Amino acid sequence: NAGVTQTPKFQVLKTGQSMTLQCAQDMNHEYMSWYRQDPGMGLRLIHYSVGAGITDQGEVPNGYNVSRSTTEDFPLRLLSAAPSQTSVYFCASRRPLAGPYEQYFGPGTRLTVT
Amino acid sequence: AQRVTQPEKLLSVFKGAPVELKCNYSYSGSPELFWYVQYSRQRLQLLLRHISRESIKGFTADLNKGETSFHLKKPFAQEEDSAMYYCAPCSGAGSYQLTFGKGTKLSVIP
Repeated sequence: NAGVTQTPKFQVLKTGQSMTLQCAQDMNHEYMSWYRQDPGMGLRLIHYSVGAGITDQGEVPNGYNVSRSTTEDFPLRLLSAAPSQTSVYFCASRRPLAGPYEQYFGPGTRLTVT
Repeated sequence: AQRVTQPEKLLSVFKGAPVELKCNYSYSGSPELFWYVQYSRQRLQLLLRHISRESIKGFTADLNKGETSFHLKKPFAQEEDSAMYYCAPCSGAGSYQLTFGKGTKLSVIP
């Protein structure tokens, strides 16, 4: 199994540009989530999904959209990038859905918005 | 509101010295407690969780419900322990969300 994969690894955007960060997992996990990691701030939850067609907001959802059309994929969209979105983004997945079980993380995407 | 406090941003210890990474939480209900670790240029991975009561890489963590703490300990630090450590309570119901602390960077001096 590849586990949780993310693309791209690095990205530089200009303010106002849009892009999609890709996340996929091959473990048939129901729960998937996106976090951003900033120095001194730890990891903060952006959006999460408990299954195909079901998404919800986390702690810092503004400026980001998500969708979950399949169990495997959970892309994160930035519609109009801002410098405040410069961060490292991690995708994670977990199964089963109900219970305090381990989350598996992707390798991260380092995004810089100029 | 759910809150996790890791009071030390950076902790430096000499190789062979004991290590204690502090974590205090303020959480409604009965959360489950986790420690995640991120080694340099690697992804986050689970180090240990309270429910398992296991020792991983020599680390242990004791839950003190009275003090609402879940400190991570190791009796003898190794250079390979240098990493970023995150305390992460998990809500005990609903979607079982993890709330991460701001992290403590452990640096083990040879």
